Amino acid sequence: KNEVEQSPQNLTAQEGEFITINCSYSVGISALHWLQQHPGGGIVSLFMLSSGKKKHGRLIATINIQEKHSSLHITASHPRDSAVYICAVRWRETSGSRLTFGEGTQLTVNP
Amino acid sequence: DTEVTQTPKHLVMGMTNKKSLKCEQHMGHRAMYWYKQKAKKPPELMFVYSYEKLSINESVPSRFSPECPNSSLLNLHLHALQPEDSALYLCASSQPSGRGTDTQYFGPGTRLTVL
Repeated sequence: KNEVEQSPQNLTAQEGEFITINCSYSVGISALHWLQQHPGGGIVSLFMLSSGKKKHGRLIATINIQEKHSSLHITASHPRDSAVYICAVRWRETSGSRLTFGEGTQLTVNP
Repeated sequence: DTEVTQTPKHLVMGMTNKKSLKCEQHMGHRAMYWYKQKAKKPPELMFVYSYEKLSINESVPSRFSPECPNSSLLNLHLHALQPEDSALYLCASSQPSGRGTDTQYFGPGTRLTVL
């Protein structure tokens, strides 16, 4: 069964800390997405990766295709970064638009 | 305009009611999605429309009926729902890339409570 695993499930940090969230997947993918969901529901797409590394502000996402692993880093974390971060993949073997989601990482950044 | 809008924001309905959820985007995207999300769980795909045709139905009960009247609009018609159908219903859209690399844009969701 094709799976996506995220760690940790929950993460509490102090403001200013460097944060890493990890995502591993089981078979080849065409793309991996990092999503952010704040309390109240709306989901924002942060990054779409198929190789290498992307950076946007304080957020950095990396992917290692050979190891089937991706990380999301947050530098100089801030309480407004508190949210659920979700990794989602599109399997290479699957046609169409279906994403498989990880269970999410609940991040809390305390002031 | 990179926004997906959903109405209503909140909906409370009885098990015998008929209601509809609405989703709209004006980004020219030709794929639109309905997801169901329970508390502390990731979204679950329900339906996908591609070029206004239903391309994926994830074995959703017939009390949920999707409709795509045009490329900008997506509806979800609800009838005879059960309390366990209470959830956040999310709409998303994307422009199919053909290579599986399209980004989905999500709406804010409709929080549905079935009494």
